Amino acid sequence: QVQLVESGGGLVKPGGSLRLSCAASGFTFSANYMTWIRQAPGKGLEWVSNINIGGDGVYYAASVKGRFTVSRDNAKNSLYLQMNSLRAEDTAVYYCARGIYSMDVWGQGTTVTVSS
Amino acid sequence: DIQMTQSPSTLSASVGDRVTITCRASQSISSWLAWYQQKPGKAPNLLIHKASSLESGVPSRFSGSGSGTEFTLTINSLQPDDFATYYCQQYNSYPRTFGQGTRVEIK
Repeated sequence: QVQLVESGGGLVKPGGSLRLSCAASGFTFSANYMTWIRQAPGKGLEWVSNINIGGDGVYYAASVKGRFTVSRDNAKNSLYLQMNSLRAEDTAVYYCARGIYSMDVWGQGTTVTVSS
Repeated sequence: DIQMTQSPSTLSASVGDRVTITCRASQSISSWLAWYQQKPGKAPNLLIHKASSLESGVPSRFSGSGSGTEFTLTINSLQPDDFATYYCQQYNSYPRTFGQGTRVEIK
């Protein structure tokens, strides 16, 4: 079935780095734009970044621009989010989702906690 | 950035009620609006795209309307499974932005 599975979350100290992955299955990953969205504990949804099919068109929220990098490997059906210079305010559940307009398929999320 | 404002923030309703949630955009977004439902501990689920197009598999008691800056999500005959938080999201421009959410709780 159509599925997205995130991984790579964890506890990291302020200033540290993490790389999130999102494995896609059940659909043609290489034909779909993809998005990362996050949700801080008890808060609403925040769009983080998205990427086009070829990986050469990307957009970022101002809050992460210059620190986060989105990429994809269509041969591996995978989406990535490299997160550097992490801050406490980056603590959230990170979701990958299919699409860059409305998002019709979401993963279950992976939790990132930034704390000393 | 386009600000999305939902009202109310919390809504108390009973099974069988008709419920309406409003989403206002700080500038025109044409019909580039989506609605999502989220239950605790779960990922959001797309209900409606392009303001009024029901996503495949979503019950017909959900409907969306509006264009420009004012939009509504209506749930006809609220069911026990519908108690959740609802978010609107604009995709007219970057950055994509979400409303703050409307929690529908049992009265």
